[in-house]
Amino acid sequence: AQSVTQLDSHVSVSEGTPVLLRCNYSSSYSPSLFWYVQHPNKGLQLLLKYTSAATLVKGINGFEAEFKKSETSFHLTKPSAHMSDAAEYFCVVSGSSNTGKLIFGQGTTLQVKP
Amino acid sequence: NAGVTQTPKFQVLKTGQSMTLQCAQDMNHEYMSWYRQDPGMGLRLIHYSVGAGITDQGEVPNGYNVSRSTTEDFPLRLLSAAPSQTSVYFCASTYQNTQYFGPGTRLTVL
Repeated sequence: AQSVTQLDSHVSVSEGTPVLLRCNYSSSYSPSLFWYVQHPNKGLQLLLKYTSAATLVKGINGFEAEFKKSETSFHLTKPSAHMSDAAEYFCVVSGSSNTGKLIFGQGTTLQVKP
Repeated sequence: NAGVTQTPKFQVLKTGQSMTLQCAQDMNHEYMSWYRQDPGMGLRLIHYSVGAGITDQGEVPNGYNVSRSTTEDFPLRLLSAAPSQTSVYFCASTYQNTQYFGPGTRLTVL
């Protein structure tokens, strides 16, 4: 069975400082992992995905994530936060290959202070 | 391409009423899914389909029915709405391990 845990429900950073959103996963086989962002009252946008290629994955808007199998982690980072990054972020693991069965973490709300 | 579309955007129902949430995609994707989003719980899978004529249950299927008569459409039916079904519903299609989400339907059951 697959599961995903986002270690922080709320993260607050100042504009221009680094962002770290933590995610641990559990999977019985080599997983596909994703990060999605949801701005208030909006739909979900894919930030990046890992599908067993390079372990460091670059996404949109300057975000990246590193797949660490030994730590079962897939943390999301960004060197410098922007006010427009304030949103909810979801770490997601694919339940089975390419069937659309995604398992979502509970979400992390990112607050960016001026 | 319009991508994944959902109608309606908002809906208010009374307990016991039935309704259908519509979902359509024009990308010819085989795989489609329905999720519900509740505060503090992320998204949870209701039902999914791996192709026309094939559906299966997800994590929280009770109270919902689906069918898939065409590749394009994947409607979600609430048979007898309950206040516990107040949520935001997202439809998605999948291609090459990437999901494409619709804009969502916000449903309130009184």
